[in-house]
Amino acid sequence: DAGVIQSPRHEVTEMGQEVTLRCKPISGHNSLFWYRQTMMRGLELLIYFNNNVPIDDSGMPEDRFSAKMPNASFSTLKIQPSEPRDSAVYFCASSPSTSNPDTQYFGPGTRLTVL
Amino acid sequence: SQQGEEDPQALSIQEGENATMNCSYKTSINNLQWYRQNSGRGLVHLILIRSNEREKHSGRLRVTLDTSKKSSSLLITASRAADTASYFCATDDSYNTDKLIFGTGTRLQVFP
Repeated sequence: DAGVIQSPRHEVTEMGQEVTLRCKPISGHNSLFWYRQTMMRGLELLIYFNNNVPIDDSGMPEDRFSAKMPNASFSTLKIQPSEPRDSAVYFCASSPSTSNPDTQYFGPGTRLTVL
Repeated sequence: SQQGEEDPQALSIQEGENATMNCSYKTSINNLQWYRQNSGRGLVHLILIRSNEREKHSGRLRVTLDTSKKSSSLLITASRAADTASYFCATDDSYNTDKLIFGTGTRLQVFP
C-alpha cells in the first residue's frame, strides 16, 4: 500500500495567491483529517471528513480556508487568499473508521511558505 | 486547543540508555495513543492504550496510563540513534471521540 499521498511536498507562493493542497487517503479508509503544524501552535486539527462528509470544521482558522472531499480517494485544502501566517506544514491523515478513534495514518506533509 | 502536554520538551541521551517521556491531559478519555515524528516526515502510530488498561508493551516500548492522574508515560528501552525523533501523545475527546487531540511533543535525541 502506498500510504497517504500528499501533493505538492513543497509550495512557495506569494501573499494573496490561491494555494491548493491535495491528499489521497489509503484505499478503504473512511475518515480523512487535515492538520496544520507550526512551531508556535503545534499540531492542530483543521477539519475532518467521514465517508466524504465534513463532520467538524471548527479548527479551520477563517473563511480563507476551505476543504472538499468529492470522493473517497481525494481531498483538497484550499487557502485563498494566502497570507504569510499560513506558512506551516499541512498534514493529511486517514483512518479506517471513526470507531472510538482509530489509528491515524499520516501523509508526508506539504510544507507551505507564503512570502 | 491542545489536550496533552508532554514533559520534558527535549531529551538527550546516549545509545543504550532508556528514555522516558510523560504526557498529561485535561479531560476524560477513552484511549490514548503515542506517535513518533521523524524530522521532515509525517507522524507514525506507535501504540494505543485504552482507559481500562494500565500498562502496555510493544517491543522496546512500554506505555503506562494513570487515569486518576490524567497522565501517561512512554518508556523506550535500550535506545538507538534511530529512535531520534519527536514523540507525541494523542487523546480522544470524550465528547467527540471521532478526533484526536495531540500534545506538544517531546524531542528525543539519541547520541551514538
